[in-house]
Amino acid sequence: EVQLVESGGGLVQPGGSLRLSCAASGFTFSSYSMNWVRQAPGKGLEWVSYISSSSSTIYYADSVKGRFTISRDNAKNSLYLQMNSLRDEDTAVYYCARARLYDYWGQGTLVTVSS
Amino acid sequence: EIVMTQSPATLSVSPGERATLSCRASQSVSSNLAWYQQKPGQAPRLLIYGASTRATGIPARFSGSGSGTEFTLTISSLQSEDFAVYYCQQYNNWPPNTFGQGTKLEIK
Repeated sequence: EVQLVESGGGLVQPGGSLRLSCAASGFTFSSYSMNWVRQAPGKGLEWVSYISSSSSTIYYADSVKGRFTISRDNAKNSLYLQMNSLRDEDTAVYYCARARLYDYWGQGTLVTVSS
Repeated sequence: EIVMTQSPATLSVSPGERATLSCRASQSVSSNLAWYQQKPGQAPRLLIYGASTRATGIPARFSGSGSGTEFTLTISSLQSEDFAVYYCQQYNNWPPNTFGQGTKLEIK
């Protein structure tokens, strides 16, 4: 069974940093690209970042470019999102999602940016 | 960036009836269109990809159609578990994959 489990969310002050993790199981992680997608409270879905299976291709949404860094460790079946210079508008549930089709999603981890 | 527009924002339908949700792209996305269902407090779930192909385990009452800029998700006979928010998403011109703003399907 495919499972994606996010962790690392929490309350952080504006300007602070946080590192999210996504632990994958039930499939060959190293064969799939991965994404981070977020959802602000009561709002729709927003793609944040993409990383190819080998980490050779990485993309970011304009809203996070220069502040967030996506990475992965295929040996540990894990995906990461390093978030720096956090802003109020980054408050959201962050999901990891598999492949370009987002065919599997984790349960999400809540990031709250507030003073 | 391609803009996806869903209509209506809210759709009220009685159980057992048919629901039709629409999604329009600001430019052609060919058939590279997916539909997701999201229930309160849950992650989205992939329903349809390639505009009309049901994802694994999705009941046959869900069907998708369209190509280019106009797409439709039809739920043939609504069950209680189908009341949720539905999002369309294009993956033709990326990044970014862009989502519509969602249609909330509520019980009438």
